[in-house]
Amino acid sequence: DTAVSQTPKYLVTQMGNDKSIKCEQNLGHDTMYWYKQDSKKFLKIMFSYNNKELIINETVPNRFSPKSPDKAHLNLHINSLELGDSAVYFCASSQGTYSFSGYTFGSGTRLTVV
Amino acid sequence: AQKITQTQPGMFVQEKEAVTLDCTYDTSDPSYGLFWYKQPSSGEMIFLIYQGSYDQQNATEGRYSLNFQKARKSANLVISASQLGDSAMYFCAMREGVTGGGNKLTFGTGTQLKVEL
Repeated sequence: DTAVSQTPKYLVTQMGNDKSIKCEQNLGHDTMYWYKQDSKKFLKIMFSYNNKELIINETVPNRFSPKSPDKAHLNLHINSLELGDSAVYFCASSQGTYSFSGYTFGSGTRLTVV
Repeated sequence: AQKITQTQPGMFVQEKEAVTLDCTYDTSDPSYGLFWYKQPSSGEMIFLIYQGSYDQQNATEGRYSLNFQKARKSANLVISASQLGDSAMYFCAMREGVTGGGNKLTFGTGTQLKVEL
């Protein structure tokens, strides 16, 4: 059973389109995250949700909108895609907001905007 | 200022040798955690080892150990007896406590390790 699963694994789309990435975790964790890995492999947090509540919202364009229907799911919707949005997007989860438990990452979604 | 610094963009090591990947960090928070992740060419992020700021002993997990020097703010990863399958990108990351941004992981820029025969 996959602990953190993301769909789709690959996404190729044209500029201007709207797309969504879905994430689900079956670990019982209460906190979920979206990270972006750019072409230089640098990983940066975008959003964090704890029990469906948004707790971290880094300086991300408002074309990116996360949604957490329940604590096991965190989706990322991106409007009006731009070339610069091409990256690998990782979902992750952990238990607790201020604990020191590890993060479990999904396998990533490689988004290519053409 | 960079919170996590990895100064070695690329490293080579011969099979069966030990290798140290450097990581220094910057925080004023007394409570923090340091993590190392491995990212092979297939792309997934694999958790390797964790060190808490209050842990008295250096963390070890199989062939991985963390050389934690708190006063120097360094958390180097040591891989013993390198294997070809260790070839990957390695990321150091920090999670600060309540005063430092809560639960997000801040990553370094990574070190690409290549294990040679």
